[in-house]
Amino acid sequence: DAGVTQSPTHLIKTRGQHVTLRCSPISGHKSVSWYQQVLGQGPQFIFQYYEKEERGRGNFPDRFSARQFPNYSSELNVNALLLGDSALYLCASIQNLNTEAFFGQGTRLTVV
Amino acid sequence: AQSVTQLDSHVSVSEGTPVLLRCNYSSSYSPSLFWYVQHPNKGLQLLLKYTSAATLVKGINGFEAEFKKSETSFHLTKPSAHMSDAAEYFCVVSSTGGSYIPTFGRGTSLIVHP
Repeated sequence: DAGVTQSPTHLIKTRGQHVTLRCSPISGHKSVSWYQQVLGQGPQFIFQYYEKEERGRGNFPDRFSARQFPNYSSELNVNALLLGDSALYLCASIQNLNTEAFFGQGTRLTVV
Repeated sequence: AQSVTQLDSHVSVSEGTPVLLRCNYSSSYSPSLFWYVQHPNKGLQLLLKYTSAATLVKGINGFEAEFKKSETSFHLTKPSAHMSDAAEYFCVVSSTGGSYIPTFGRGTSLIVHP
């Protein structure tokens, strides 16, 4: 039984570039959330999708966008990368709203 | 609106002694509460959850937490610390009737001395 899978695991980008991160939730889970975790801090909420619709958005600039596909997988896109975007990006898979979230191992993004 | 406050950024204990990690929450609705653990360079693992059933919740690896509505607290405890418990711990709130978006505390780093 596969857990939450995220790709890639590590990524190095240059300032100003664009990045796409991918997440496949647990089979049967309809909701995906994205979090940014800067070193030494707790995860900060970016987006939540449920049944392919955006249900929530955190306090992040418009450079951040996401979508959920018919198979419930999801992409997080970040444009015009800044050094401050360097972080661990976590994807959470949730079966139904208000049940526990299961997390992937994350994508470590380094912007140089 | 919902929020979580983890009262200690670091907790240091000796192996074999009790662990107490403190968490207070704020929620406009009936909350669901969770504790997650994160080992270095790893993802987040669910330790336990409270979803309006029994107020004393037992989790994995000997951890438990008690939901106290009057104190708006959900402290995590373990009777005897093990070296492998050294990690970052996060308290999380999600609200029934609210946004259902899990909100994390800043984390508590548990240090276990031999």
